[in-house]
Amino acid sequence: DAGVIQSPRHEVTEMGQEVTLRCKPISGHDYLFWYRQTMMRGLELLIYFNNNVPIDDSGMPEDRFSAKMPNASFSTLKIQPSEPRDSAVYFCASSQPRTGETQYFGPGTRLLVL
Amino acid sequence: QQPVQSPQAVILREGEDAVINCSSSKALYSVHWYRQKHGEAPVFLMILLKGGEQKGHDKISASFNEKKQQSSLYLTASQLSYSGTYFCGTEIGGGADGLTFGKGTHLIIQP
Repeated sequence: DAGVIQSPRHEVTEMGQEVTLRCKPISGHDYLFWYRQTMMRGLELLIYFNNNVPIDDSGMPEDRFSAKMPNASFSTLKIQPSEPRDSAVYFCASSQPRTGETQYFGPGTRLLVL
Repeated sequence: QQPVQSPQAVILREGEDAVINCSSSKALYSVHWYRQKHGEAPVFLMILLKGGEQKGHDKISASFNEKKQQSSLYLTASQLSYSGTYFCGTEIGGGADGLTFGKGTHLIIQP
């Protein structure tokens, strides 16, 4: 079974541009999580979905960040406009809808905003 | 509240043992352990649920002390492949909540 798929794997953009990150969770996983990793702040939860519905978005840093999950097999994280401090590795993870199940991470998207 | 991991870094010789601790100020439902190698995604190692269980996987095992809200990861007879950064992710609720991760423990295994 394929793991969590993320695209693009690397993204370099200029400040002010819109950035869209994509994620395909593992089939059958009802939970989808977006994390951000930086040297300074470590791994942080941004938002997560259950059955395509956003459950907790308290980790989303600013209104510039938005996330959607239009169906069970696709989610996007959008940054508009992007800023240099958004540079980080963004991970998507998914898990099965059962207590005690762990989360499986995708390979991540390395974002550099110049 | 972010869990506290200790130590921050460990350097070992191949074959030596290591213990990594993860402590929380809140009552935990579960603790998830991951290992991340440079430039790669975190890879799941094991999960421990409240109830004080202990788990093992090859020469890597872990325990969860519910009274102390502390989990420990034990690496026995370390191998070069064990090098990486180890993270604990904690979950407070009983459902599939997002994880709160510690800052990580850097483990370097030397031949």
